[in-house]
Amino acid sequence: AQSVSQHNHHVILSEAASLELGCNYSYGGTVNLFWYVQYPGQHLQLLLKYFSGDPLVKGIKGFEAEFIKSKFSFNLRKPSVQWSDTAEYFCAVTPGTGFQKLVFGTGTRLLVSP
Amino acid sequence: DTEVTQTPKHLVMGMTNKKSLKCEQHMGHRAMYWYKQKAKKPPELMFVYSYEKLSINESVPSRFSPECPNSSLLNLHLHALQPEDSALYLCASSQDPTALDTEAFFGQGTRLTVV
Repeated sequence: AQSVSQHNHHVILSEAASLELGCNYSYGGTVNLFWYVQYPGQHLQLLLKYFSGDPLVKGIKGFEAEFIKSKFSFNLRKPSVQWSDTAEYFCAVTPGTGFQKLVFGTGTRLLVSP
Repeated sequence: DTEVTQTPKHLVMGMTNKKSLKCEQHMGHRAMYWYKQKAKKPPELMFVYSYEKLSINESVPSRFSPECPNSSLLNLHLHALQPEDSALYLCASSQDPTALDTEAFFGQGTRLTVV
């Protein structure tokens, strides 16, 4: 069965610090990869997605992620975080054969202090 | 319009009540989903509807009964729930369940409390 691991459960950063959140998945076939963000009291929003092609994908709000197939990883990065980035971040995976079961990681709660 | 609208936003119900959660999208999406999210946990898939037919039931107890009356609407009927069913129930939709490159759009959820 597919599973998604996010090793950082809680991250605390100061504004302007750089961010990297880890995501590893276990699935042997082609995968589609996503990062979603859930701001306090708001719905899940898509930050970025990878289907194929360039393994470095850019998303909204200055976020990017790199797909490293050999490491089964899809880490999220941002060079300089802002207080407004305080939120919960979820990595998610679905098989590349069709979008049916979106499997989420356990989430990383990010707190950015001003 | 890229919204998935869920009603109600909050619901408190007793263990003997019958209630329904509603979800609506007007993006022409042909796949719709129910997820359950407990506090400080990731969303967990409950049901998937593909072209208005139930395609996935993740072994959800029968006290949860989904319904997809048409391609824009998704309901979740609740009956005889337990306090441990209290959670945020999320609806999502995606363009085509067979597409290789699509994404899910989520509603804001219904926060359900069972007393």
